[in-house]
Order: sequence, then structure tokens, then C-alpha cells
Amino acid sequence: NAGVTQTPKFRILKIGQSMTLQCTQDMNHNYMYWYRQDPGMGLKLIYYSVGAGITDKGEVPNGYNVSRSTTEDFPLRLELAAPSQTSVYFCASSYGGMDQPQHFGDGTRLSIL
Amino acid sequence: RKEVEQDPGPFNVPEGATVAFNCTYSNSASQSFFWYRQDCRKEPKLLMSVYSSGNEDGRFTAQLNRASQYISLLIRDSKLSDSATYLCVVNGGSSASKIIFGSGTRLSIRP
Repeated sequence: NAGVTQTPKFRILKIGQSMTLQCTQDMNHNYMYWYRQDPGMGLKLIYYSVGAGITDKGEVPNGYNVSRSTTEDFPLRLELAAPSQTSVYFCASSYGGMDQPQHFGDGTRLSIL
Repeated sequence: RKEVEQDPGPFNVPEGATVAFNCTYSNSASQSFFWYRQDCRKEPKLLMSVYSSGNEDGRFTAQLNRASQYISLLIRDSKLSDSATYLCVVNGGSSASKIIFGSGTRLSIRP
């Protein structure tokens, strides 16, 4: 059982480059989330989705975009990478609503230089 | 005041000890609560949900105090493998944007 799979695990970008962080889940969960975690900090919600075709902003959406064309996939796009986006990015999914626990991928470590 | 606050620690306790830490939240309308465990450079993993009546899972007990707006986690007979950061998560409303993670409490168990 793969659960939530994120790729890549590590990436170094130059300022101004763009990239897509991939996230896929095989648990048929409706809800999916993207978080970033800076050192010594809690997770901050970037975007979330309650089902295919539906996305919404979280606490820190600026500089990111998402799409949800299928139940399984929820990619996160960085258009113009900035040093402030250096962080660890976690994708998560949950079966039901916000009162359900979330299952996390093992993260993408992103450095912007 | 932060929406969700945790004592960052670190808590350094000997193996076999009992340790407890709290997590306070500011939104009285918060509806669901969780404790997650995060090992160094790993993803968070659900430890337990926190119900109004409290719940227990082996050596771990979670409590909710709505009047004082905090949740607690008690670990009995601590093991070396309990060393981790413990994150509390509070769902403040009907939108996922209201899910708030605490910054975590670091726990280190020494032999």
C-alpha cells in the first residue's frame, strides 16, 4: 500500500525557476492538502482540495498554484521560485472532512538558491 | 496570542518516566483535535485523535479541556523510541483553512 507518494524527495532550484511538486494517493481520499514546514515551525497550509476539480487557498498560498484533475493527483506548482520558498513540503490526504486524520507523504525538501 | 501554542521543549526525561505536555488553542469553536508524532526529518504521523471524553491507547492518554481550551498528551513508561516531536492539531471550523498545526514539543528520552 503506497499511501501518499511525493516526488521529488529533494530539489535545488535557482531563483526565478519554476517546478511542479507531484503528489499522488491511492487511498481514494477526497481531501488533499499541501503544507510547508520551515525549521522549528509547525506546518502551514498552502492549498487544499475537497475533490476533483475543487481547490481552495490555505494560509500561505502566495507564489503557488495547484490543480486537481483526478482524485489521485494534486500537484503543486511554483512559478517563480524565491528564496523564501525554501522549505520542506508535505502533501497529505484524508478520507472525509476536516475532522478526519490526515495521511502524509514523506515530503519534498526544496532549496532555492 | 497564537491560535495554537505548544511548549517547544525540549523535554528530556529518563526512560520509564511519565511525561505530559499541553497544547492551548484560542478558537473556542474548534471542533476536532489530534496529536501527531514527527521524527527528525520525517513526515508527521497520526498518534491519536482527541475526543471530548478523552481517549487512551496503550501508554498514551489524550485529554480535552474545552473550558480552559487545551488538549494534553500523557505518555507513561516512556521508551527510547518515544523520542520525537509531538504536534498538536486543532480544527477551528468547517473549512480546511482552519486546520492549525502547533509548532511541536520536542521530547528526548534518555537511557
